[in-house]
Amino acid sequence: QSALTQPASVSGSPGQSITISCTGTSSDVGTYNYVSWYQQHPGKAPKLMIYGVSDRPSGVSNRFSGSKSGNTASLTISGLQAEDEADYYCSSFTISSTLVFGGGTKLTVL
Amino acid sequence: EVQLVETGGDLIQPGGSLRLSCAASGFTVSSNYMSWVRQAPGKGLEWVSIIYGGDTRYYADSVMGRFTVSRDNSKNTLYLLMTSLRAEDTAMYYCARVERKNYGVDYWGQGTLVTVSS
Repeated sequence: QSALTQPASVSGSPGQSITISCTGTSSDVGTYNYVSWYQQHPGKAPKLMIYGVSDRPSGVSNRFSGSKSGNTASLTISGLQAEDEADYYCSSFTISSTLVFGGGTKLTVL
Repeated sequence: EVQLVETGGDLIQPGGSLRLSCAASGFTVSSNYMSWVRQAPGKGLEWVSIIYGGDTRYYADSVMGRFTVSRDNSKNTLYLLMTSLRAEDTAMYYCARVERKNYGVDYWGQGTLVTVSS
């Protein structure tokens, strides 16, 4: 049950685009299209931003998009805004019928 | 409106036991996949356990044999019984509803804090 691998931090200026990667294995990300992404602001519960690799829940801005290639999933945020500054986590379903999260990525908007 | 409200967090000594509760409203716990996720202070999210339909349950290796997830359908409530608690179990514990079609957590509680310390 090893955590998915995410970069510890990324940064970008307002209006720019950034991408956060999430690397797993053939036991999770590589086998299932059940990758989700969450946004967490300090002191708050996480919020679902992307599910099923690339689908957005109702109410989530279309500036957020997801994709997957092999064992690596990615979250792209376009048109960065100050309120996007937060921690981001990926998760995946696994062949053991469990869930696994990534270590988290801190996004700084410069 | 869907709501999840966790209670039961406390300061507990190493080796002790604690039961967390998660009262759900706006949907039926018995018809959904439910999970517990924890977050140690300043750390990332860690999946803890999940209960599927038919009461099939799975646990993270770190809590296997010590934690038990259950639900009371009459109270529409999810529980997490934690025994043999260790300092490394100190965390905010979130109750979560897992979407059946895509295994994304679409609803989270506000969390309840468990501190294991002597």
